[in-house]
Amino acid sequence: DVKVTQSSRYLVKRTGEKVFLECVQDMDHENMFWYRQDPGLGLRLIYFSYDVKMKEKGDIPEGYSVSREKKERFSLILESASTNQTSMYLCASIPSGVSSNQPQHFGDGTRLSIL
Amino acid sequence: DQQVKQNSPSLSVQEGRISILNCDYTNSMFDYFLWYKKYPAEGPTFLISISSIKDKNEDGRFTVFLNKSAKHLSLHIVPSQPGDSAVYFCAASAYSNYQLIWGAGTKLIIKP
Repeated sequence: DVKVTQSSRYLVKRTGEKVFLECVQDMDHENMFWYRQDPGLGLRLIYFSYDVKMKEKGDIPEGYSVSREKKERFSLILESASTNQTSMYLCASIPSGVSSNQPQHFGDGTRLSIL
Repeated sequence: DQQVKQNSPSLSVQEGRISILNCDYTNSMFDYFLWYKKYPAEGPTFLISISSIKDKNEDGRFTVFLNKSAKHLSLHIVPSQPGDSAVYFCAASAYSNYQLIWGAGTKLIIKP
């Protein structure tokens, strides 16, 4: 069974702080994703990575960066946290080269509050 | 521009009855559709999917119907149970599921 682990379930930070959200998956998946989920807006893609050291911007990358130094770990970085980045952050993964469609597997999410 | 729309923010259904959740899409290139279920403070869990070459897929109490001409899909839950109370997200992809486009979600409440 795929396990996607996000390092913190709840996090409270202050405006202007640099914030790191960590995600680890144990299934050797090539593709990893960071989303944020806000009420009434569904899930919005921030960044994704299709291989180590590779990254692509999603729909809302502004104010965020990512790091993928190892295949199993994908980090989301808020360079200078702002109150409008208060949200639920979700990490997901999926393998490449699948012969048929497969769903993304999600972690339990990090509820981040910026004060 | 929302490519995947779930127009009902919430839905209330009596336990034992059928729950029908709806989803509309605008991009005719979408070829794979998924439904996820999400409880508060947890990540989404995959429920059921359908490829555009089919018009129906069934898994236990859950059935997804796809109407390509109307660009509409629906999720049927029969019979509805209290544990089905959650937010349900519809998602779609074109050519691969590496990137999914998500609806805003529908909160399903099952009344005892």
